[in-house]
Amino acid sequence: GAVVSQHPSRVICKSGTSVKIECRSLDFQATTMFWYRQFPKQSLMLMATSNEGSKATYEQGVEKDKFLINHASLTLSTLTVTSAHPEDSSFYICSARDQGIAGIYEQYFGPGTRLTVT
Amino acid sequence: DAKTTQPPSMDCAEGRAANLPCNHSTISGNEYVYWYRQIHSQGPQYIIHGLKNNETNEMASLIITEDRKSSTLILPHATLRDTAVYYCIVRVLMNNDMRFGAGTRLTVKP
Repeated sequence: GAVVSQHPSRVICKSGTSVKIECRSLDFQATTMFWYRQFPKQSLMLMATSNEGSKATYEQGVEKDKFLINHASLTLSTLTVTSAHPEDSSFYICSARDQGIAGIYEQYFGPGTRLTVT
Repeated sequence: DAKTTQPPSMDCAEGRAANLPCNHSTISGNEYVYWYRQIHSQGPQYIIHGLKNNETNEMASLIITEDRKSSTLILPHATLRDTAVYYCIVRVLMNNDMRFGAGTRLTVKP
């Protein structure tokens, strides 16, 4: 099946610094990728949708200047958390959409990145 | 996309069938029912999806009521490794994104 990878799997950074998370579709091309955030004991919350070569669409309440998303190729999207603060500590999960048979879109999820801001 | 309602938690004995219900009474005719699960600190894992017919794969069976207002995910022989949060999602197949509700936390006990 289709595989989505994320790097790093775990990162610790100091408050005020920026951290970049990569999301790759390994065996398919993803014109659309999604970024989710999950706090402890909560469900996944969609942060933004990115289409290759265009600006990301952010969900209400998500600061686009803080969470920079770049989707420069059909297999790579990056999420940069700028000026990170402890409240940004969370589990970040990416997902990539594959166009399969007869235009049916399936969505595959990465393993997640645990961000801890100290 | 239609909203779904699931019980917050369920227990199941190891080796027995786990039946996880989902209510989606406002589902539209072109919306599919998807099931994912999330094991602790991992990304969501696809289980199964269907439109109106019952579906079965190597992981589970999906039973959708005739009026499509509810469905049940069946894990026929639950193991300890099936302990996870199970999410029922309703969406149009061509639609852009998956949106997750609270899910059901299934605990399989020895």
